[in-house]
Amino acid sequence: DVKVTQSSRYLVKRTGEKVFLECVQDMDHENMFWYRQDPGLGLRLIYFSYDVKMKEKGDIPEGYSVSREKKERFSLILESASTNQTSMYLCASRGFSGANVLTFGAGSRLTVL
Amino acid sequence: SQQGEEDPQALSIQEGENATMNCSYKTSINNLQWYRQNSGRGLVHLILIRSNEREKHSGRLRVTLDTSKKSSSLLITASRAADTASYFCATSYNTDKLIFGTGTRLQVFP
Repeated sequence: DVKVTQSSRYLVKRTGEKVFLECVQDMDHENMFWYRQDPGLGLRLIYFSYDVKMKEKGDIPEGYSVSREKKERFSLILESASTNQTSMYLCASRGFSGANVLTFGAGSRLTVL
Repeated sequence: SQQGEEDPQALSIQEGENATMNCSYKTSINNLQWYRQNSGRGLVHLILIRSNEREKHSGRLRVTLDTSKKSSSLLITASRAADTASYFCATSYNTDKLIFGTGTRLQVFP
C-alpha cells in the first residue's frame, strides 16, 4: 500500500525554537505539498515542490521554509516557532497521473508554547 | 478567496439514513474532488468528478456537479457509524494546486 509518512504525530515546542517536520513518500511521486489545517479555515497551502531541489510558495509561506534534497523526502522548517504556528500540518504527494489526486500523511500536530 | 465552501458545517444523522453535503466554488474548474478525514488523521481521497461530468458513483457515494451553479454535492447512502468523519471538497483551477473547502463534519449515530 502506498504511503506518505510524517515522522512526528505530536510535537510540543517552545517559542523561538527551530522545528523540523519530516515527510517521506514511497510512491516515487514528483510533487509534494505541505498544508496547515486550522478550525474554520480548512487546509491552506504553505509550500510545494515539483521536483528535487525545487520549491514554490503556496498561499501562506511566511515563517516557513522547505527542503527537498531527495525525491522521497520533503521537510518543512519553522526557523523560529511562534504560538500562531500551533496547528495540524499535513504533507501530501502527487504523481503524474494527470488527475491531481493527493495522497496525504497522517498529520503532525504541533503545539508551540 | 478561491476556496470552496461546504454546507452544512455539521450534520448529525442516524445509521441507515442518507447524508448529503454540498460544496460551492467561485471560478471555473478542471475537476472537483471529495476527501474524507477521520478525527486527527490525514485526508483520504474519495472521488473525483471532471468538469464535463455531471454525476459519478463509487459504492455508496454519489457525487453530482453543476458547473452552471458552481456547486457539487456528495451523497452517502445508508450511512454507517464508520462514516463519521469530516468531508472536504477540493477544486482544481488552471494551476496544479488544489483549493480545499472548510469541510462538513458528519456524525452518524448507531
